[in-house]
Amino acid sequence: GDSVTQMEGPVTLSEEAFLTINCTYTATGYPSLFWYVQYPGEGLQLLLKATKADDKGSNKGFEATYRKETTSFHLEKGSVQVSDSAVYFCALIASNYKLTFGKGTLLTVNP
Amino acid sequence: GAVVSQHPSWVICKSGTSVKIECRSLDFQATTMFWYRQFPKQSLMLMATSNEGSKATYEQGVEKDKFLINHASLTLSTLTVTSAHPEDSSFYICSAFLRGTSTDTQYFGPGTRLTVL
Repeated sequence: GDSVTQMEGPVTLSEEAFLTINCTYTATGYPSLFWYVQYPGEGLQLLLKATKADDKGSNKGFEATYRKETTSFHLEKGSVQVSDSAVYFCALIASNYKLTFGKGTLLTVNP
Repeated sequence: GAVVSQHPSWVICKSGTSVKIECRSLDFQATTMFWYRQFPKQSLMLMATSNEGSKATYEQGVEKDKFLINHASLTLSTLTVTSAHPEDSSFYICSAFLRGTSTDTQYFGPGTRLTVL
């Protein structure tokens, strides 16, 4: 079945540091890929998405590129802020409209 | 765009009572909505798929008689936790499915924290 594996946290960075959260997937067909962010006590917000190979999703300084050859969708940001502290979920939708989530990565950014 | 609301945002109830949670898509129609449960520091667990005008599809291990789902319109799905017990305490999150021209996406509500005493 479909699965998503993302790097386990927690990840702790200083403000303005470079961020990478790794995500790889297994799926039949050609899934759409997503990163969602969850701030404390809140639901999930869509951060960015990509629908086909080599697509790059971007939003709020975050980027991720759909790499079919390595089945990856790593999340990156060049300079993190304290306000980026949250849990980040990598996810995919394959053929049945259901989201398959990774386990989430807690990011803490210190001033 | 693509805003999903949930009501209430939190609820405290006594053991044995029933609690209804509403999920609304505010600016689009959603024939399909999903209900998730999230335990502290864990990922989301899909409970059921709610389809407008038909019965919900429950994931394995989820009691359909305990978690009643009704999708009465294209913008509203409700989850009723019947005869709630302390072990039902959790964070419940809904999402609404939007068919797009380039990609299908789920948009999430802000969640409802249920505490059963």
